[in-house]
Amino acid sequence: DIQMTQSPSSLSAFVGDRVTITCRASQNIGDYLNWYQQKPGRAPTVLINAASKLERGVPSRFSGSGSGTDFTLNITNLQPSDFGSYYCQQSYSTPLTFGGGTKVEIK
Amino acid sequence: QVQLQESGPGLVKPSETLSLTCTVSGASMSGYYWSWIRQTPGKGLEWIGHIFYSGTTSYNPSLKSRVTISVDTSKNQFALKLNSVTAADTAVYYCARQKTAVAAPRYWGQGTLVTVSS
Repeated sequence: DIQMTQSPSSLSAFVGDRVTITCRASQNIGDYLNWYQQKPGRAPTVLINAASKLERGVPSRFSGSGSGTDFTLNITNLQPSDFGSYYCQQSYSTPLTFGGGTKVEIK
Repeated sequence: QVQLQESGPGLVKPSETLSLTCTVSGASMSGYYWSWIRQTPGKGLEWIGHIFYSGTTSYNPSLKSRVTISVDTSKNQFALKLNSVTAADTAVYYCARQKTAVAAPRYWGQGTLVTVSS
């Protein structure tokens, strides 16, 4: 299985801040990396696929980058609606595997 | 708009079989992979497996010996059976749709909490 390691596990930031979440794969996965946002009590929703492609309707303050084993999710101009948990997930091979998550809190 | 809804018992006794059904509405099941994913506070999100609409399955090796996923396209439903459950199987179980075997699941059910306890 491909292991996905996310950091940090939690962070707290002010509205307007830039936030960076990193994800590392245990082997080269090319750009087969997706990012999700999850609100409490809800299912995850896809924000970014193929490492950097924004899903339709996702605000442009979200961006993804990276390839191979190291990936980054950036949120610029953090908004109150951005609170929640964020997960990376590899789509290189089954079993699909997820990172441990990053909980984002608004100060 | 595709909608998925999980249903099944919220409480299962240890050593028994967890059974859940996912009902799909708003779209045909043809051409897609239908998945089960679970989430626990301890292990996070875990992909259990999926079934192609034609019946081909793929399971997570960590659960493969205990899992069966089946599909009934005439009812627009697919199902999960997990046998010999323990407290470690307590989780929120989601059903979801994937466009390919490895694509990001884009459509998810709301999730259902299953607790394993006597």
